[in-house]
Amino acid sequence: GQQVMQIPQYQHVQEGEDFTTYCNSSTTLSNIQWYKQRPGGHPVFLIQLVKSGEVKKQKRLTFQFGEAKKNSSLHITATQTTDVGTYFCAGPLGNQFYFGTGTSLTVIP
Amino acid sequence: DAGVTQSPTHLIKTRGQQVTLRCSPISGHKSVSWYQQVLGQGPQFIFQYYEKEERGRGNFPDRFSARQFPNYSSELNVNALLLGDSALYLCASSSGTSNEKLFFGSGTQLSVL
Repeated sequence: GQQVMQIPQYQHVQEGEDFTTYCNSSTTLSNIQWYKQRPGGHPVFLIQLVKSGEVKKQKRLTFQFGEAKKNSSLHITATQTTDVGTYFCAGPLGNQFYFGTGTSLTVIP
Repeated sequence: DAGVTQSPTHLIKTRGQQVTLRCSPISGHKSVSWYQQVLGQGPQFIFQYYEKEERGRGNFPDRFSARQFPNYSSELNVNALLLGDSALYLCASSSGTSNEKLFFGSGTQLSVL
């Protein structure tokens, strides 16, 4: 079954509103990565988190890795139309690499 | 520098046929992994190869196989195609193994009729 779940599955926001997607793994991860996939495109790497409780920022994006290293979140402040796409968390589990179910973000101008 | 290149970009096959997809990693990258992405879902891990050896295998049937060549390019083979194999097949390269960030190609869109 799916090992890495994300909520919500879909999110529509007005431009300028904030957005958050949550990622939960059934087991502890050594690290977690976030990717963005634009409609019709391929996943593009955003960031990697390794340490328990780690927080990283990229301009309007804030990424967190949970203390137990089983959950993570991505928060976007003041969304823009360029933020449209599907956001995936991903991480290694054993000798496999799992992507989350993804959160599709629509930004309404 | 060229990114990850995949060929072909689109492919139409019929049930029972066999298909070979190709991937060239970023220069200097020794690891290639393959993913299947069905519309509306996240990429599903199929294989990872590092230095020509299989380092990881996802939950896919034996109809799926892959290999990596001395120049680090890779092929994914799928035999006895089923309708459910219709998907976007993504190749990703990285410099190392599972802890490295992935660089994806644009994918091969496979349609099985």
